[in-house]
Amino acid sequence: EVQLVQSGAEVRKPGESLTISCKGSGYRFSDYWIGWVRQTPGKGLEWMGIIYPHDSDVKYTPSFRGHVTISADKSIRTAYLQWSSLQASDSAIYYCARREAEWDHSDYWGQGTLVTVSS
Amino acid sequence: EVVLTQSPVTLSLSPGERATLSCRSSQTVGSSYLAWYQQKPGQAPRLLIYGSSIRATGIPDRFSGSGSGTDFTLTISRLEPEDFAVYYCHQYSSSAFGPGTKVDMK
Repeated sequence: EVQLVQSGAEVRKPGESLTISCKGSGYRFSDYWIGWVRQTPGKGLEWMGIIYPHDSDVKYTPSFRGHVTISADKSIRTAYLQWSSLQASDSAIYYCARREAEWDHSDYWGQGTLVTVSS
Repeated sequence: EVVLTQSPVTLSLSPGERATLSCRSSQTVGSSYLAWYQQKPGQAPRLLIYGSSIRATGIPDRFSGSGSGTDFTLTISRLEPEDFAVYYCHQYSSSAFGPGTKVDMK
């Protein structure tokens, strides 16, 4: 059974750093792209970027480039989304999602990670 | 930049009724690149339809997708109680999502 299991909810202060994770199981992790999606009440679902764990090729949506870092460690079947300096506007639910190809539908999603940034 | 618009914002229907949801793109979209997702409170989006009309694995046949160019439709032939949720269209070659249509119980 294909599963993407994300790390738990986080609370941080503005300016702090954070890394959340997404662990895949039930399939050949290196052969599928993993994307990250932000969901907020105000802006809905937003595609942030995507990584191919096989060679760590990363593509960012322009509005997120420079603000987050997407990475993966194929040896432990895990993808990461990282912030070096959080802002209150980063408060959201973050989902990871699997794609067979870079420009493909996302067939499996993680359960989501709630990130709260507040002073 | 592709912008997706969904209508209506909210659809109030009763179980057993037919639901017709619309997704319009600001640019012509290859029909191969349009998906529909269902999201219930506290859950991740669930893939229903991809390639504008292909049902994902395990999706009941009361869900169907159609359309091409800039206009796409998700139809739920007879609403079941578990179908009341928010539905999003997604154009995955540009990674744009629509704002969603909430299907709630009348």
